[in-house]
Amino acid sequence: NAGVIQTPRHKVTGKGQEATLWCEPISGHSAVFWYRQTIVQGLEFLTYFRNQAPIDDSGMPKERFSAQMPNQSHSTLKIQSTQPQDSAVYLCASSLDGGVSNERLFFGHGTKLSVL
Amino acid sequence: GEQVEQRPPHLSVREGDSAVITCTYTDPNSYYFFWYKQEPGASLQLLMKVFSSTEINEGQGFTVLLNKKDKRLSLNLTAAHPGDSAAYFCAVSAPSSFSKLVFGQGTSLSVVP
Repeated sequence: NAGVIQTPRHKVTGKGQEATLWCEPISGHSAVFWYRQTIVQGLEFLTYFRNQAPIDDSGMPKERFSAQMPNQSHSTLKIQSTQPQDSAVYLCASSLDGGVSNERLFFGHGTKLSVL
Repeated sequence: GEQVEQRPPHLSVREGDSAVITCTYTDPNSYYFFWYKQEPGASLQLLMKVFSSTEINEGQGFTVLLNKKDKRLSLNLTAAHPGDSAAYFCAVSAPSSFSKLVFGQGTSLSVVP
């Protein structure tokens, strides 16, 4: 079991460019979560999917950010027209259920995004 | 919505001493509580999951206390050793959406030999 796989580990973009972050959840897990980690804000919830369907995107910035889960084996977080304040570590996590039983989250190593 | 405050942000203790990290939360209806550990260069790993029905939870080398009256969650590392040096995060399951965790700001613990 390779755990949750996030690619790339590091991404550097210029201001205004697009960034796409990839997450491969643990096989058999039905829920995928995206969090953003910064020194100032700590860990912030962005969005999550269960059985590929978007359930809660209340943490997603209204503009420029979008997330998809086209199949059960991967999810993407896309940031359009990146800004320096988007610089953060983006964490993906998966869980077996993601429902009210509140299973533990398994986190990936994160993608460190640096916007110059 | 739920808010979680974690203290202290940084903590340095000598090997063998205890280390206490505390989180306070705002929503009295919160039910699930978590402590995660993040070692340098590693992913967040679950230390313990706590249900609101249990006040004292013991793990290997640590104790988690939940005080629902004061809405306080604490992690007490007894006899800390250098391998405990890491960032620790508490997390609370938001009653509005049990699957969504609200994290504390984190505590960077350094255990000095």
